[in-house]
Amino acid sequence: EAQVTQNPRYLITVTGKKLTVTCSQNMNHEYMSWYRQDPGLGLRQIYYSMNVEVTDKGDVPEGYKVSRKEKRNFPLILESPSPNQTSLYFCASRRQGGNTEAFFGQGTRLTVV
Amino acid sequence: AQSVTQPDIHITVSEGASLELRCNYSYGATPYLFWYVQSPGQGLQLLLKYFSGDTLVQGIKGFEAEFKRSQSSFNLRKPSVHWSDAAEYFCAVGTGNQFYFGTGTSLTVIP
Repeated sequence: EAQVTQNPRYLITVTGKKLTVTCSQNMNHEYMSWYRQDPGLGLRQIYYSMNVEVTDKGDVPEGYKVSRKEKRNFPLILESPSPNQTSLYFCASRRQGGNTEAFFGQGTRLTVV
Repeated sequence: AQSVTQPDIHITVSEGASLELRCNYSYGATPYLFWYVQSPGQGLQLLLKYFSGDTLVQGIKGFEAEFKRSQSSFNLRKPSVHWSDAAEYFCAVGTGNQFYFGTGTSLTVIP
């Protein structure tokens, strides 16, 4: 089954404690991205990757890191989480090109206290 | 710059009534347009998409959308809403590099 898998689904952590949210897709998609969803703000892109070893900032990259060492994986790293990073995070993947739909993971709800 | 506007933050409709969710976009080239639905606690699911051709596109769950270039709009419609349609709906524009989402419209369905 074609899918994007995120882990964990829920995470509560403390300020400053490094964490990683994993994302994996099994569709051989070139393009992967991370979004955060906040009430009233919709989905905002954090980082995206056009292919292996190619990453770029989205609209809200501050406080986040990503890597794309393999085509299927695109982890999101918070080196020093802060409470304003409490949010719902989604990973997405799609084939290259504007006319391709994005497939989303189930989301990770992160709380930073 | 590309942008997507969903002017209605929240809409309430009665079950069985018709529905229209508005979406306006700003994009210099031919837009690739999408509607996604997010049920509570779930990820985003594609409802329908427009790339070219017929301006009225059909999607899953009985939804349809009409692309109007002159109005830069891609409104989502459903003739008769079911209680299970209660969800958040997102309009999006796809480019070669990115997806641009609107801020979403939350739909409540009352019996």
